[in-house]
Amino acid sequence: SQKIEQNSEALNIQEGKTATLTCNYTNYSPAYLQWYRQDPGRGPVFLLLIRENEKEKRKERLKVTFDTTLKQSLFHITASQPADSATYLCALASDYKLSFGAGTTVTVRA
Amino acid sequence: EAGVAQSPRYKIIEKRQSVAFWCNPISGHATLYWYQQILGQGPKLLIQFQNNGVVDDSQLPKDRFSAERLKGVDSTLKIQPAKLEDSAVYLCASSLATGTSGRVNEQFFGPGTRLTVL
Repeated sequence: SQKIEQNSEALNIQEGKTATLTCNYTNYSPAYLQWYRQDPGRGPVFLLLIRENEKEKRKERLKVTFDTTLKQSLFHITASQPADSATYLCALASDYKLSFGAGTTVTVRA
Repeated sequence: EAGVAQSPRYKIIEKRQSVAFWCNPISGHATLYWYQQILGQGPKLLIQFQNNGVVDDSQLPKDRFSAERLKGVDSTLKIQPAKLEDSAVYLCASSLATGTSGRVNEQFFGPGTRLTVL
């Protein structure tokens, strides 16, 4: 069966450190992978998209890698700030639709 | 630019009652999605429209859920009758039309409707 697994444990990090989140998948052949941020009581907000033929994508302090051999994406937040505290969702795009993981909650301590 | 609007924001009903949610997507967005997000889980796609046609409703429990998108703009999602396990946040999202290459464009989400079924 198809599965998308993100870090099951919440991530607590010190301000200024790098947060690294993982997204592993099985029985998918995604053409694209997207990352979203979700704050409590709000809908997800799009952050980054990476194609299957791209290894890495960057946007400001965010970096995403995509390894179709390992069936894994890594999401990095560098120089983290308390404002980065949120739940981060990975989403796989195949067959013209998105399938979401359960998300990883990140808390950045000042 | 106005975002995706949803109403109501909260709804509490008894099991076996009916409920309807409304969504107004971003102007010009051809694709509209309804997701169900149960606490602690990621959003699960219920139905996807391209203009006013259904692209995917494979995960919609059609015995109790229905959705329509009249005139290719606003959409309503209805549950009749509701069950306890329908308690969740119902998210509406919209995007530019899905590309012919299979690209799924970034989706813009509304704030959601939190449904509690007692």
